Amino acid sequence: EDKVVQSPLSLVVHEGDTVTLNCSYEVTNFRSLLWYKQEKKAPTFLFMLTSSGIEKKSGRLSSILDKKELSSILNITATQTGDSAIYLCASEYSGAGSYQLTFGKGTKLSVIP
Amino acid sequence: DSGVTQTPKHLITATGQRVTLRCSPRSGDLSVYWYQQSLDQGLQFLIQYYNGEERAKGNILERFSAQQFPDLHSELNLSSLELGDSALYFCASNRQMNTGELFFGEGSRLTVL
Repeated sequence: EDKVVQSPLSLVVHEGDTVTLNCSYEVTNFRSLLWYKQEKKAPTFLFMLTSSGIEKKSGRLSSILDKKELSSILNITATQTGDSAIYLCASEYSGAGSYQLTFGKGTKLSVIP
Repeated sequence: DSGVTQTPKHLITATGQRVTLRCSPRSGDLSVYWYQQSLDQGLQFLIQYYNGEERAKGNILERFSAQQFPDLHSELNLSSLELGDSALYFCASNRQMNTGELFFGEGSRLTVL
């Protein structure tokens, strides 16, 4: 069964800390790995990674995919209270002529002042 | 604001009833995806439509059905509701036939009493 596992499930840090969120996946016909941020309701897209070892960056957030280890990390440097959210990892895979996303259960990040 | 509109935002109903959730995708998007998010299961893919045709099916129960209309809006019908159907139902859209980056609506929170 295809699955995506995120760790830790929750994390509390102080403003200014650096955090690393982990995602491992076991899917057949892997295509890409995606990260989303879910604050109150709707998940919003952060990154899509298709090639191993290439880092994608957006401001203080960055992510790398390791296809050999079937994993990805999301780094957030100099955390701010606005980074408090649930971070979702999803693996995109192909099957039956279409592509689907399997989401992990998320890592809940709380940044305290 | 992702541009994806879902109604209603909240819905409370009783077991055995039937409800319809509605989604209007972003302008120009042809694909609509439905996801269910519950506390213990995370985001679960239900079904995808592309330009009016069913494209992919996930863990959608037989009591649930969906369709996409010529104007590209979509409806998710949930019938013979059970307590366990209480969840946040998300609609997402994008321009592609295959997954990639999704734009999520704010969700419809269904409570079955």
